[in-house]
Amino acid sequence: LAKTTQPISMDSYEGQEVNITCSHNNIATNDYITWYQQFPSQGPRFIIQGYKTKVTNEVASLFIPADRKSSTLSLPRVSLSDTAVYYCLVGDPTSGTYKYIFGTGTRLKVLA
Amino acid sequence: DSGVTQTPKHLITATGQRVTLRCSPRSGDLSVYWYQQSLDQGLQFLIQYYNGEERAKGNILERFSAQQFPDLHSELNLSSLELGDSALYFCASSARLIDEQFFGPGTRLTVL
Repeated sequence: LAKTTQPISMDSYEGQEVNITCSHNNIATNDYITWYQQFPSQGPRFIIQGYKTKVTNEVASLFIPADRKSSTLSLPRVSLSDTAVYYCLVGDPTSGTYKYIFGTGTRLKVLA
Repeated sequence: DSGVTQTPKHLITATGQRVTLRCSPRSGDLSVYWYQQSLDQGLQFLIQYYNGEERAKGNILERFSAQQFPDLHSELNLSSLELGDSALYFCASSARLIDEQFFGPGTRLTVL
């Protein structure tokens, strides 16, 4: 089971690019990397998912180096509304043993 | 609005009691997940069902049980409630195992 490590918290200013890195040294061959965002008292919301190299959607980019032992979520030009907790999940959702471990996440605070 | 509905929104009960939380997944989604989120434990995966069958199990107590019905809605039963069971309980659904999870608004359970 791939264990993930993320920074506990980060501060940024509006308009800046924010990069949150997740370490997953024992990632398995079939594991995917998924990021979720959670606001207080709300359920997490999917941001992006990837397997290797780079994935981009309308809200974020996910960079995965060749060895896949880490990944970086990039949020371009953050705003105050991006203040939330960001979770990195690593695993194979098709496996019956996948435990969907959200961990403690990274608490991002965007300042004006 | 994720399309996942959960009822009730709030539930207040006493220790030793039994409650049932209900979840209706997004139309067409086959997989349902249950999570517990308390202040000191973070988001904990409880159990997953896929098309009526239990798929994966997390940190679910023996006092808790769940099932997914033929119409794909799911219920989480919590019995012999303790003060420590007070938490937000989220249900999520996904179309296939590999797909992103859509979270419902949660049921806030308070055990007095």
